[in-house]
Amino acid sequence: KAGVTQTPRYLIKTRGQQVTLSCSPISGHRSVSWYQQTPGQGLQFLFEYFSETQRNKGNFPGRFSGRQFSNSRSEMNVSTLELGDSALYLCASTRAEGNTEAFFGQGTRLTVV
Amino acid sequence: GIQVEQSPPDLILQEGANSTLRCNFSDSVNNLQWFHQNPWGQLINLFYIPSGTKQNGRLSATTVATERYSLLYISSSQTTDSGVYFCAVPDRFYNNNDMRFGAGTRLTVKP
Repeated sequence: KAGVTQTPRYLIKTRGQQVTLSCSPISGHRSVSWYQQTPGQGLQFLFEYFSETQRNKGNFPGRFSGRQFSNSRSEMNVSTLELGDSALYLCASTRAEGNTEAFFGQGTRLTVV
Repeated sequence: GIQVEQSPPDLILQEGANSTLRCNFSDSVNNLQWFHQNPWGQLINLFYIPSGTKQNGRLSATTVATERYSLLYISSSQTTDSGVYFCAVPDRFYNNNDMRFGAGTRLTVKP
């Protein structure tokens, strides 16, 4: 059974650009959550998607957005990149709504220069 | 939202030693996970342990939900155990897959 797949693994972008990250959950998992990890702030929740609907959003500016497709794959987009957006972005997949075990992908390491 | 505190923040051990990592949380939870972050950044699942005790090889975990803490035990540590260990719980208010993480315990096992 394939795990959670995130692409790309590494990205270098310039300030002001936008970026799209992708996450394919474990087959059969319908919930995808996104997290940002930085040395200063640790792991922070960005948003969660379930059945193509955003169910919850963390405390991030509107430049951070996402969506989920009918096959449960999810993308997150960051527009007008800032240096502070440099981080490891992790997505987690869970089988169903509610509190169930989450499995993480390998992450996308974004560097903004 | 729920607060999660992990201790100690850093731990240095000699290979073969045992260790206990602690996770305190500020409110009732019905889900708790322990993860090990590998050098490439991936969070590896160790335990899904809302309550009780579980064991997996040299690792075991205990969650006492009524007292709002969980412990991760590592016995006979190996250099490959090095890395950062996180505990995570759901934000009770939302009761969904929004997990709150502790700041982690950085474990270094020396040969």
